Amino acid sequence: DGGITQSPKYLFRKEGQNVTLSCEQNLNHDAMYWYRQDPGQGLRLIYYSQIVNDFQKGDIAEGYSVSREKKESFPLTVTSAQKNPTAFYLCASSIDLWRMNTEAFFGQGTRLTVV
Amino acid sequence: RKEVEQDPGPFNVPEGATVAFNCTYSNSASQSFFWYRQDCRKEPKLLMSVYSSGNEDGRFTAQLNRASQYISLLIRDSKLSDSATYLCVVTVISSGSARQLTFGSGTQLTVLP
Repeated sequence: DGGITQSPKYLFRKEGQNVTLSCEQNLNHDAMYWYRQDPGQGLRLIYYSQIVNDFQKGDIAEGYSVSREKKESFPLTVTSAQKNPTAFYLCASSIDLWRMNTEAFFGQGTRLTVV
Repeated sequence: RKEVEQDPGPFNVPEGATVAFNCTYSNSASQSFFWYRQDCRKEPKLLMSVYSSGNEDGRFTAQLNRASQYISLLIRDSKLSDSATYLCVVTVISSGSARQLTFGSGTQLTVLP
């Protein structure tokens, strides 16, 4: 089955540590995204990528880093510079960034908690 | 001002009721519009796209008013399974003409037996 997979589902991090969240898709989509969702709030864009080896900052990129070495994979690293990392992280993909009415497909999310 | 604004609710309605949600957007150049549904502690999933002429999918009707910059979602004959958060989503043009999805904060709906 085609889809988008995030791992792990739950992640606990000590303060001062970097952690990497995995996102893999087998939908052959060019565009991939990382969003953060806090309780009672909408999704905020962290980073997005429209093609391999290219990525752009979203609205809240500080304290995060990404890479796009393969079309299928778009890992997100939450660094120690991110002051409030506890949140629900969602990865998404779409065919590309150019077509109208293009649906975004989401992974099941990773809940990160700083302990 | 937020780019996409929704009434957070919660909306608590009895089964069988009709309920409507509105969403306003600030960027007049927005091109595409969607409603996503998000169940508690789950990922969002596309409910329906919103077309200029309005569109219907079973019990769900979506409408777009470009002049007033709002979209709406109407749910008829509410079911218990409709309980979820409904996210309004618009596409805005970012640098280089790439389209980005911008999400509202969501409207929480609870359908009561």
